[in-house]
Amino acid sequence: LAKTTQPISMDSYEGQEVNITCSHNNIATNDYITWYQQFPSQGPRFIIQGYKTKVTNEVASLFIPADRKSSTLSLPRVSLSDTAVYYCLVADWYSSASKIIFGSGTRLSIRP
Amino acid sequence: DTGVSQNPRHKITKRGQNVTFRCDPISEHNRLYWYRQTLGQGPEFLTYFQNEAQLEKSRLLSDRFSAERPKGSFSTLEIQRTEQGDSAMYLCASSPGQGTNLGRYEQYFGPGTRLTVT
Repeated sequence: LAKTTQPISMDSYEGQEVNITCSHNNIATNDYITWYQQFPSQGPRFIIQGYKTKVTNEVASLFIPADRKSSTLSLPRVSLSDTAVYYCLVADWYSSASKIIFGSGTRLSIRP
Repeated sequence: DTGVSQNPRHKITKRGQNVTFRCDPISEHNRLYWYRQTLGQGPEFLTYFQNEAQLEKSRLLSDRFSAERPKGSFSTLEIQRTEQGDSAMYLCASSPGQGTNLGRYEQYFGPGTRLTVT
């Protein structure tokens, strides 16, 4: 079961690019990396998922180095509305539900 | 709005009372999950359904907790003889897919039910 380590909190300013790194040293061959975002009093929301190299969608990019022992979520030109908790998950596509673990996440605060 | 609804949004109850929460998933999703989340922590898995079958239960789920998903549609989570330690946000999520590839599909979460046990 791959465990993830993320910074507890990060601060940035509007208009900046924010990179949140997740460490998963014992990631397995079949594991995928998924990021969720959660606002207060709401359920988490899927952001992006990847296996290796780079994945980009309309809201974020996910960078995964060749050894896959870490991953970086990149949020371009953040705004105040990006203030939230971000969770990195590592799970086999064939994981049982109980192995999809959210952890404590990274609390991102964006300032004007 | 993800399309997953939960009711009630808030519930205050006295210790020892029973409570029941309801989740209505996205209609075409056959997978449904329940999580519990306490302040400052990420969601913790409680149980998982594929259609009407409850396939997994966490060791966190004591025998005071029971979940159902009749006919593979909405689901209910009941807590009997509530304790103060049950105070938390209870989240429901649904996802598409068949078989065992759970990690492949994103989960769509509802807004949660916040339970306060006094």
